[in-house]
Amino acid sequence: DAKTTQPTSMDCAEGRAANLPCNHSTISGNEYVYWYRQIHSQGPQYIIHGLKNNETNEMASLIITEDRKSSTLILPHATLRDTAVYYCIVYGLGNNDMRFGAGTRLTVKP
Amino acid sequence: DSGVTQTPKHLITATGQRVTLRCSPRSGDLSVYWYQQSLDQGLQFLIQYYNGEERAKGNILERFSAQQFPDLHSELNLSSLELGDSALYFCASSEGHRPNTEAFFGQGTRLTVV
Repeated sequence: DAKTTQPTSMDCAEGRAANLPCNHSTISGNEYVYWYRQIHSQGPQYIIHGLKNNETNEMASLIITEDRKSSTLILPHATLRDTAVYYCIVYGLGNNDMRFGAGTRLTVKP
Repeated sequence: DSGVTQTPKHLITATGQRVTLRCSPRSGDLSVYWYQQSLDQGLQFLIQYYNGEERAKGNILERFSAQQFPDLHSELNLSSLELGDSALYFCASSEGHRPNTEAFFGQGTRLTVV
C-alpha cells in the first residue's frame, strides 16, 4: 500500500504558486520523497526528489519538514500545462517497489 | 522524450489470448519497472528488474510474467487475458536500484481485451 496521503484534488489560478502537500508520517530514515506527475494518460514524468533538505530545480521546489513527516511541492508560477495528477512517493533501500498512491489532481484555471 | 520505448503503442486482442509487451530502457539504465493503470485508476506496481534479476514484486497476477534480457530490454507477458486486463501498461527505467535515482517512464501500451 502507498505510504503517503495527498488531497484528492486542488485548484490553482494561472500564474500563481501551486502548493501541493503530502503526508508521509511513517517514512523511514533511508527513504526519499519523490514527486511525479501524469498529464492525462501520458507516462508519468519525474519532477523532483529529496531526502532531508529542501530541493529546487527548473520545474519545482520541494520543502520537507524537519521531522520528514510531510512535504510540499511548489510550482512557483503554475500554467495551464501544469494541470495533471501529482504523485508523492516514498522510496528507499529495502523498499524496492516504487508504489504510487492516488495522487492529487491539480487543475490550473485561467 | 524520456528515452524509454514501449511497443506496441496499442494492442487489441480477444479474451483468453496471450500478448507480449516490450520495453527498451534508457541507454545505461539497469532497472526496469512495470506498472498497470486501469481506466481512471492509479498506477499499480507490478514488478521490477535490475540487471536481469527480479528485484521487487507487486500486485502481479500469476497469469502475468516478466523478464529482463541481457541487452536490458524487458518483456511483460500477459496470458489467459480477461476483459479486466484492459489497461495502460507503463514501463519505467532508472540508472540503478538505489533509491536516489529518478525513474523515466515510457508512453505506455494501451491494451484492449475484447
